[in-house]
Amino acid sequence: EDKVVQSPLSLVVHEGDTVTLNCSYEVTNFRSLLWYKQEKKAPTFLFMLTSSGIEKKSGRLSSILDKKELFSILNITATQTGDSAIYLCAVLKTSNTGKLIFGQGTTLQVKP
Amino acid sequence: DAEITQSPRHKITETGRQVTLACHQTWNHNNMFWYRQDLGHGLRLIHYSYGVQDTNKGEVSDGYSVSRSNTEDLPLTLESAASSQTSVYFCASSDPTLGEQYFGPGTRLTVT
Repeated sequence: EDKVVQSPLSLVVHEGDTVTLNCSYEVTNFRSLLWYKQEKKAPTFLFMLTSSGIEKKSGRLSSILDKKELFSILNITATQTGDSAIYLCAVLKTSNTGKLIFGQGTTLQVKP
Repeated sequence: DAEITQSPRHKITETGRQVTLACHQTWNHNNMFWYRQDLGHGLRLIHYSYGVQDTNKGEVSDGYSVSRSNTEDLPLTLESAASSQTSVYFCASSDPTLGEQYFGPGTRLTVT
């Protein structure tokens, strides 16, 4: 059975800290791994990772995929209170057209 | 700008009533998806469609139905609402060649 597991499930840090969120997967016919950020509304797309070892970066957020060890990390440096959100990891398979398999999410709270 | 909209944004209904949640996208995406999100369960797929007249069951489809008569709309119907269907419902769409899904703002449904 396909599985996507995120850790930790929740995290509390202070502004300025650096955090690393983890996503591991056991999925047949892997195509890509996606990260979403969800504040008090709809998930918004952050990154899609398809190749191992290539870092994707957007401002203070970066992410990398390891297809050998079957995991991805999402790093957030110099955290701000606006980074408080649920971060969702999802896997896209090659065998079906567009279905995403989501992890449970990591709830990040950044305190001032 | 292309977008995906949902209506209503909030709905309170009584047990046993039929309820329809609307989803409309102007991305011209073939793929459309309905999810529910509950604490402790993350995003769970209810139904999805790969194009006009195509519908498929997701992991939690019991008590729900969808129809796809055009590219833009995928309404979700709760045949006979139950308290267990109290949740936040998200609609999403994607281009099958790209993979990332774009989410609507969500509908908060309460069944009393």
